Amino acid sequence: QQQVKQSPQSLIVQKGGISIINCAYENTAFDYFPWYQQFPGKGPALLIAIRPDVSEKKEGRFTISFNKSAKQFSLHIMDSQPGDSATYFCAASNQGGSEKLVFGKGTKLTVNP
Amino acid sequence: GAVVSQHPSWVICKSGTSVKIECRSLDFQATTMFWYRQFPKQSLMLMATSNEGSKATYEQGVEKDKFLINHASLTLSTLTVTSAHPEDSSFYICSARVGQGKKNIQYFGAGTRLSVL
Repeated sequence: QQQVKQSPQSLIVQKGGISIINCAYENTAFDYFPWYQQFPGKGPALLIAIRPDVSEKKEGRFTISFNKSAKQFSLHIMDSQPGDSATYFCAASNQGGSEKLVFGKGTKLTVNP
Repeated sequence: GAVVSQHPSWVICKSGTSVKIECRSLDFQATTMFWYRQFPKQSLMLMATSNEGSKATYEQGVEKDKFLINHASLTLSTLTVTSAHPEDSSFYICSARVGQGKKNIQYFGAGTRLSVL
């Protein structure tokens, strides 16, 4: 019930391509869905987040698509760059409840030059 | 975004000693902070929720006597790993919550790598 399932585990994309990472959740009480970017040896950095009242949110090259009925959300990175190479974590929380973030297992993205 | 500072970034200690890790919110007050543990190439595992002025709430399976958490002020939470052993070696990360209710966001520190010899 509390899990957030993330796929793929790893992803290799060519520079300029589109990177797509998917997440699925079960708990319908979740109402906040952030994506974090983590570089080796560093803490996660908030990239972009969405709430279920919208189906899409775009910030620069990063877009979250949200499908409430399917209980799925995804991160799209347009025009992927080598500097985007990092591990990406999706997460979910019930901000009206415990507010704890439940993280996916992460996706290691490699963008080849 | 809000800045969360974590110190030290890396610590090496001998088995049996205690290590204190600090987590500070630099430009905001945080009534709630969170402590996570991350093993190599794995996700973040929530250890405990730290609330200012009250006892921390530990997740199931986390030894509260081993991982002492103190949230003495609105900008500082500390995690003390007591009597550390090699199996406690890990990457420890804190986060601080900004905002309230449905408008809160967690910002993370840079993490502390603990190596117990």
